[in-house]
Amino acid sequence: AQSVTQLGSHVSVSEGALVLLRCNYSSSVPPYLFWYVQYPNQGLQLLLKYTSAATLVKGINGFEAEFKKSETSFHLTKPSAHMSDAAEYFCAVSDRYNDYKLSFGAGTTVTVRA
Amino acid sequence: SQTIHQWPATLVQPVGSPLSLECTVEGTSNPNLYWYRQAAGRGLQLLFYSVGIGQISSEVPQNLSASRPQDRQFILSSKKLLLSDSGFYLCAWRYRDRGWGTGELFFGEGSRLTVL
Repeated sequence: AQSVTQLGSHVSVSEGALVLLRCNYSSSVPPYLFWYVQYPNQGLQLLLKYTSAATLVKGINGFEAEFKKSETSFHLTKPSAHMSDAAEYFCAVSDRYNDYKLSFGAGTTVTVRA
Repeated sequence: SQTIHQWPATLVQPVGSPLSLECTVEGTSNPNLYWYRQAAGRGLQLLFYSVGIGQISSEVPQNLSASRPQDRQFILSSKKLLLSDSGFYLCAWRYRDRGWGTGELFFGEGSRLTVL
């Protein structure tokens, strides 16, 4: 079964600094991978997704992620953090052999320091 | 365009009382529907999913039940709430036909339940 592991439950960055959120996946077949963002008391919003096309995926709000098969990773980055990036971020993998069910990581909370 | 609505947004209920959370999707037909629970510091837990009217799959044994009386309506219920039922409940949908997607889910705004 597919699964994802997010390294680091909390990340604190200064405004203007690089944001790096780590996600490693486990899958026996080429995966579909996603990053979602959740602001306080709101639902999840899709940031970007990898569906076996380009390995570097660009998403909304200036985020991007790179699929690295050799490292089984799908890390999320943003070159310059804004205060509005403070939120919880979830990595997820889709099990294409189990009706495409999504398995989510435990989440990483990002705080941005002024 | 497709939209998903969840209500109520917040709910405070005493232990032992019933629960009904409702979710509806607009702008698409035959969606797969999902209920997730998010407890503090515990990530997202899939509770139920449905691939059609009256078809409900339960992922974990619990005090809750789900129903799908109409194609785009998904209801989460309980006859008697427990303290442990407190949490943030999220409804989600996706296209059923694999040709339309890759498992991507679209989430509602969530319902925060506090059981006292």
